[in-house]
Amino acid sequence: AQSVAQPEDQVNVAEGNPLTVKCTYSVSGNPYLFWYVQYPNRGLQFLLKYITGDNLVKGSYGFEAEFNKSQTSFHLKKPSALVSDSALYFCAVRDGGLNNNDMRFGAGTRLTVKP
Amino acid sequence: GAGVSQTPSNKVTEKGKYVELRCDPISGHTALYWYRQSLGQGPEFLIYFQGTGAADDSGLPNDRFFAVRPEGSVSTLKIQRTERGDSAVYLCASSRDRSGANVLTFGAGSRLTVL
Repeated sequence: AQSVAQPEDQVNVAEGNPLTVKCTYSVSGNPYLFWYVQYPNRGLQFLLKYITGDNLVKGSYGFEAEFNKSQTSFHLKKPSALVSDSALYFCAVRDGGLNNNDMRFGAGTRLTVKP
Repeated sequence: GAGVSQTPSNKVTEKGKYVELRCDPISGHTALYWYRQSLGQGPEFLIYFQGTGAADDSGLPNDRFFAVRPEGSVSTLKIQRTERGDSAVYLCASSRDRSGANVLTFGAGSRLTVL
């Protein structure tokens, strides 16, 4: 079955600095990859996805992610962090080769951006 | 509706009681998902509906858990003989159709506490 690993429980960055939140995946077929963000007492909000095409995908709020097939990674990035980016970030994967809709999530990474 | 609506937002019950959690998906979305999120964990897949039928219920932890979607819109997650380990946030999501590339739109969740 497909799976996702987010190796960092917590990432701390200073406002204005670049940020990276790491994600690696495992699937038997083609990976469909997603990033979601969760603010306190809110539902998960979609940020961006990779299905096919350009390896660099751009999403909401200035976030982007790069699909790297050889490293089976899909790291989330932003050139200049804002305090308001502080939240819980989840990477998720579906197996595009399977006829199901099972989206598997990582355990999440808490991003803290300090002023 | 404009978003995915879940009720109740909070439910406190006693061990052994029966609980129902309701999800009202985005109008016109045929696919509906239930996830469970425990503290410090990512969302865990429970069940997926395409229309009225449960297309994949492989994530339901045991036979105390059951979900229905009788008219292909609102869904109810039912938990019998609740246990303390059932305490979690139950998330509902919907998407336009069964395509694996589709984004899931999540509700704010129902927080269940079993005393």
